[in-house]
Amino acid sequence: DAGVTQSPTHLIKTRGQQVTLRCSPKSGHDTVSWYQQALGQGPQFIFQYYEEEERQRGNFPDRFSGHQFPNYSSELNVNALLLGDSALYLCASSLGAGAGANVLTFGAGSRLTVL
Amino acid sequence: TQLLEQSPQFLSIQEGENLTVYCNSSSVFSSLQWYRQEPGEGPVLLVTVVTGGEVKKLKRLTFQFGDARKDSSLHITAAQPGDTGLYLCAGDRTNDYKLSFGAGTTVTVRA
Repeated sequence: DAGVTQSPTHLIKTRGQQVTLRCSPKSGHDTVSWYQQALGQGPQFIFQYYEEEERQRGNFPDRFSGHQFPNYSSELNVNALLLGDSALYLCASSLGAGAGANVLTFGAGSRLTVL
Repeated sequence: TQLLEQSPQFLSIQEGENLTVYCNSSSVFSSLQWYRQEPGEGPVLLVTVVTGGEVKKLKRLTFQFGDARKDSSLHITAAQPGDTGLYLCAGDRTNDYKLSFGAGTTVTVRA
């Protein structure tokens, strides 16, 4: 049973560029959340997608956008990259409603370095 | 600003010793979760506590949720090198889909 898979695992970009990160949720899960984890910090909530809609958004600028596809997979896009965007980007999946809604399964993350 | 404050930030102990990690907030949470994260991996859920005063045991790990549902602790008995990792607490609140994480406690258990 595959867990949450993320790609790419590592990438290096320069300031001003754009990046797309991808996530496939755990089998049976329909909700995808994205978190940013800076070095030495806990994960910070970016947004959550459910039924192909952004259900909730954290305190991140509009440069951060996302999408959920009919197969529940998701993408995170970041435009106009800044040095401060360097972080581990974590995707977590869960069931959209009920007791399982906040039981998250995390992927291993995509490590983004902005130079 | 972190909604959940964890202490200590770092903890280094010898194998066989006990340790306690604390997670405190001024906010009330519907539930509180503890995760362990190892280098190069995502956080892995250890336990969820939902009732004020609840105590859950997972082998050598004991988790407690405060009576007012604002704080929690994780106690490890007879720590082993395999317990090494970043321990994160995370809380969720009513009508809120996100988890709010603490900054984490890095635990190192020396053999």
